[in-house]
Amino acid sequence: IVLTQSPGTLSLSPGERATLSCRASRSLSSTDLAWYQQKPGQAPKLLIYAASSRATGIPDRFSGSGSGTDFTLTISRLEPEDFAVYYCQQYGNSPRTFGQGTKVEIK
Amino acid sequence: QMQLVESGGGVVQPGRSLRLSCEASGFTFSRSGMHWVRQAPGKGLEWVAVIWYDGSHEDYGDSVKGRFTVSRDNSKKTLFLQMNSLRGEDTAVYYCARGLGTGSSYPLDLWGQGTLVTVSS
Repeated sequence: IVLTQSPGTLSLSPGERATLSCRASRSLSSTDLAWYQQKPGQAPKLLIYAASSRATGIPDRFSGSGSGTDFTLTISRLEPEDFAVYYCQQYGNSPRTFGQGTKVEIK
Repeated sequence: QMQLVESGGGVVQPGRSLRLSCEASGFTFSRSGMHWVRQAPGKGLEWVAVIWYDGSHEDYGDSVKGRFTVSRDNSKKTLFLQMNSLRGEDTAVYYCARGLGTGSSYPLDLWGQGTLVTVSS
């Protein structure tokens, strides 16, 4: 399953809303989609799993939604620490696959 | 605290082998499916392999199938990745990561800091 993320880069200011898209090449179970955040020089961090469940300790400004082939990660109000690269992943089908990433940068 | 620490990376010639290790602490290793994920320099994440909590099942990404083997020693809380017939395109930071459940179909909720493998003559 190929995951296509858009846009490639999102230029926003702190306090703005970020909407990131992940589209699958075929339908996924909504239980099998996750979102990760990666900052430079760091390992990825799980944000969202099962499309809409926040991982432990993740602030509620992060939310996930979607089903079938279209999934969305929303950051309601960007904090300075949210500028990073975000990846979606499907983990219900072999091989597990990641999207190519969306970079959220400061405008 | 819960931690994963990878080791074994380095510079290796094309066609040679390398074995990575990942030592777990702070959680019940034997109850978790474990994964390897890699990231080539400046590129995105690529899933490499998974092994079930008890070692009974494995699965691999297409680009490493037949060359890489994942294994684990639950008594030593250690995950391994045996990499044979290495190619330049295998150059990457290799992360080990814990699945949220016992099998393979779970998100990855704990990651190591990564170990760099460089394949070059």
